[in-house]
Formats: sequence, C-alpha cells, structure tokens
Amino acid sequence: KAGVTQTPRYLIKTRGQQVTLSCSPISGHRSVSWYQQTPGQGLQFLFEYFSETQRNKGNFPGRFSGRQFSNSRSEMNVSTLELGDSALYLCASSPLQGTNTEAFFGQGTRLTVV
Amino acid sequence: QQQVKQSPQSLIVQKGGISIINCAYENTAFDYFPWYQQFPGKGPALLIAIRPDVSEKKEGRFTISFNKSAKQFSLHIMDSQPGDSATYFCAAKPTSGSRLTFGEGTQLTVNP
Repeated sequence: KAGVTQTPRYLIKTRGQQVTLSCSPISGHRSVSWYQQTPGQGLQFLFEYFSETQRNKGNFPGRFSGRQFSNSRSEMNVSTLELGDSALYLCASSPLQGTNTEAFFGQGTRLTVV
Repeated sequence: QQQVKQSPQSLIVQKGGISIINCAYENTAFDYFPWYQQFPGKGPALLIAIRPDVSEKKEGRFTISFNKSAKQFSLHIMDSQPGDSATYFCAAKPTSGSRLTFGEGTQLTVNP
C-alpha cells in the first residue's frame, strides 16, 4: 500500500503570496489532518477533515484553510504569507474506522517564506 | 488541559543501553497514546501505541508503560542502537476524531 503523499516537497514563497499544499492519504483512509512543525512550537494541529467535512480546527488564523475532496485527497491553503509561516507542513491520514485510529504521516512540505 | 509534557528534551545513551522518555498529560478524554520517531527530513513514523486499558505494551525493543492514575506514560528502548538516534514524540488523542496533541519531542543520540 502506498503511503501518504505530499506535494510539493519544497516551496519557497515571498511574503504576501499564497500557497496551496496537497496531500493524498493512504488508500481507504477517510480522515486527513494537517500539522505545522517548527523548531520553536513543535508539532501543532491545524485542522482535520473527514468525509469532506472539517471536524476540528486548531488555533491558527483564518489565513490557514483547507478542504477535502470526495476521493479523500486534501489541500491546505495559506494566504498572505508571513515569515513566521516558514515551517514543515505535515499531513496525516487515518482510517478512523472502529477502533483503528492509527495516524500515518507523509514526508511533509517544507515551506520557506522570504 | 490539552497539553502533553515530554521529558527529557535531549538524551544521550551508549549503545546497548536503555533509553527512557517520559510524558504526562492532563486531559482525561485522551484514550490513545502513540509514540512517533522522526529522522531529519522525514515525517514522523508511528512506532508503537497504547490505550489506557493496558499498563504495558511491548513490540520488539520498544515498550510503552502506562500509568492511568498518574496520567503518565513512557517509552523504553532496550538495547539502544546508533540507528535509533532520532527525535521521539509522544502524543495523545481523544476518543473522537483524529486530532493528536504532541509532546515537545526528545532528541535521542545513541553513541556507538
């Protein structure tokens, strides 16, 4: 089974621009969550999608948004980029069926804002 | 109440030794506690996980010990190897949804 695929792996953007990151979950997994990882703040939850619906949202400004498609693939968007948005953005997929709640992460997208 | 506290921040162990990383939580709604291993440039990889109905779970050289009354859990790596050198994160998840709350991470170095 293929793992979680995130594209692109690396991005360099300028302050004020917007960016869209993509995540393809493991086949059959319906839940996708996004996390931001920085040296100072560690791993912070952004949002969670299940069956195309946002179920949970972390404490991030409205510039951060996401969506999930009918095939469970997800995208997250960051508008009006700030220098502090530079981070590794990780996507995790989970089956969320019965007691199986294991979450598997992709390799992440390294975003650098200059 | 959503926090997960992890210690130590860094750990140096000799090859063959035991590595121990500790975590504590406050939210009693957490009912799933995974540990992740992360190498530089990679995403976190699920290592082992436990639910509160058991006090210990072992998989190979990795063991989770869980103390529900103290709201603490720990990861023990037996016979630590240089290839175990990585950053380890504990995490916790409530009953519903897939949101994980992570500890701050422990950078483990195993010297040959």
